[in-house]
Amino acid sequence: GAGVSQSPSNKVTEKGKDVELRCDPISGHTALYWYRQSLGQGLEFLIYFQGNSAPDKSGLPSDRFSAERTGGSVSTLTIQRTQQEDSAVYLCASSRTVYQETQYFGPGTRLLVL
Amino acid sequence: AQTVTQSQPEMSVQEAETVTLSCTYDTSESDYYLFWYKQPPSRQMILVIRQEAYKQQNATENRFSVNFQKAAKSFSLKISDSQLGDAAMYFCAYRSGNTPLVFGKGTRLSVIA
Repeated sequence: GAGVSQSPSNKVTEKGKDVELRCDPISGHTALYWYRQSLGQGLEFLIYFQGNSAPDKSGLPSDRFSAERTGGSVSTLTIQRTQQEDSAVYLCASSRTVYQETQYFGPGTRLLVL
Repeated sequence: AQTVTQSQPEMSVQEAETVTLSCTYDTSESDYYLFWYKQPPSRQMILVIRQEAYKQQNATENRFSVNFQKAAKSFSLKISDSQLGDAAMYFCAYRSGNTPLVFGKGTRLSVIA
């Protein structure tokens, strides 16, 4: 079946602009995660959604970052007033449930803030 | 907090040879899962193998196997008969309960023809 998809593949923006990154999880997966992969920082957790429960936002680095998941499926990660340090690859993953299930990743969105 | 350490930033192996990538982790939990993910230049994170902590038997997937030492909190990945397509970044990861994945910094593997 189809895997996790993300769009856009690459995004170049100017400092101060807002950006939206989209993730479409595997059909039937109730858990969805966002991670950020920065040079020298490795992979860091940002936020996850499980079904209709309130999302775990504990990894969001600042209030400029937000995410929503509509209808329990597609998710959008929004970064407001982008800064150069936001440049990174943003990876989305999904799993059947949140409890110790294997996470399957999308191809990521590479964000470059000039 | 749980941490995952990969002490080898880079490794290389001759084609058809065997290579072992190291990973150690720190946790106070007794029930958890460990994973190895492969990330080629395409950026796609691909699951290589996973190990449930309650299982004593080491997981294997074709040419990939792990050496899971729970007491030592060690989880190494062995790649046998290395192929050019194995060249990638390899990430060790941990999760317990409903926590998100905790990743190591990664090991870049080069395969020499």
